[in-house]
Amino acid sequence: GAGVSQTPSNKVTEKGKYVELRCDPISGHTALYWYRQSLGQGPEFLIYFQGTGAADDSGLPNDRFFAVRPEGSVSTLKIQRTERGDSAVYLCASSRRMGDRNEQYFGPGTRLTVT
Amino acid sequence: AQSVTQLDSQVPVFEEAPVELRCNYSSSVSVYLFWYVQYPNQGLQLLLKYLSGSTLVKGINGFEAEFNKSQTSFHLRKPSVHISDTAEYFCAVSGRYQKVTFGTGTKLQVIP
Repeated sequence: GAGVSQTPSNKVTEKGKYVELRCDPISGHTALYWYRQSLGQGPEFLIYFQGTGAADDSGLPNDRFFAVRPEGSVSTLKIQRTERGDSAVYLCASSRRMGDRNEQYFGPGTRLTVT
Repeated sequence: AQSVTQLDSQVPVFEEAPVELRCNYSSSVSVYLFWYVQYPNQGLQLLLKYLSGSTLVKGINGFEAEFNKSQTSFHLRKPSVHISDTAEYFCAVSGRYQKVTFGTGTKLQVIP
């Protein structure tokens, strides 16, 4: 079946602009996660959703970052007033349901470059 | 709080030689441990996971890892590597609410 998809695969934007990154989870997966992977680092947790609600947003670095999942499927990560330090690969993952033992399936990521 | 340490940023190894990628973790609660592989320009793929039970875990592509609670380690091993194993490997730990913390990764370079 189809895996997690993310669009766009690459996004180049100017400092100060607004961007939206989209994630389509695996059909039927109720839990969705966003991570950020900076160059030379491992993925860093940002936020996760169970259904439509954000169950844990403690990883969002500041109030310029916001994510939504209005219908419990597709999610959008929104970044306002982008800064050069926001440049990274943004990864999305989904799992069948919330729970300790469920495997997370990752998408290929969106590479964001802020110039 | 939980954390993961991967001391080796790069590991070169000759084809058909054995390899061990080291991972140490810290956590104040029960842990679930994972190894993921990331091939160039691709997403993360789960290699194996430890949830409970046997401390020796076998995964895909001939990899295995051993959970050692006393040493807080979860080292990844393969007895004979192939060129296709060249990739970056991430160790990760998860706690009760499935917030996953990743290490900084180890790049495995298999030399022909």
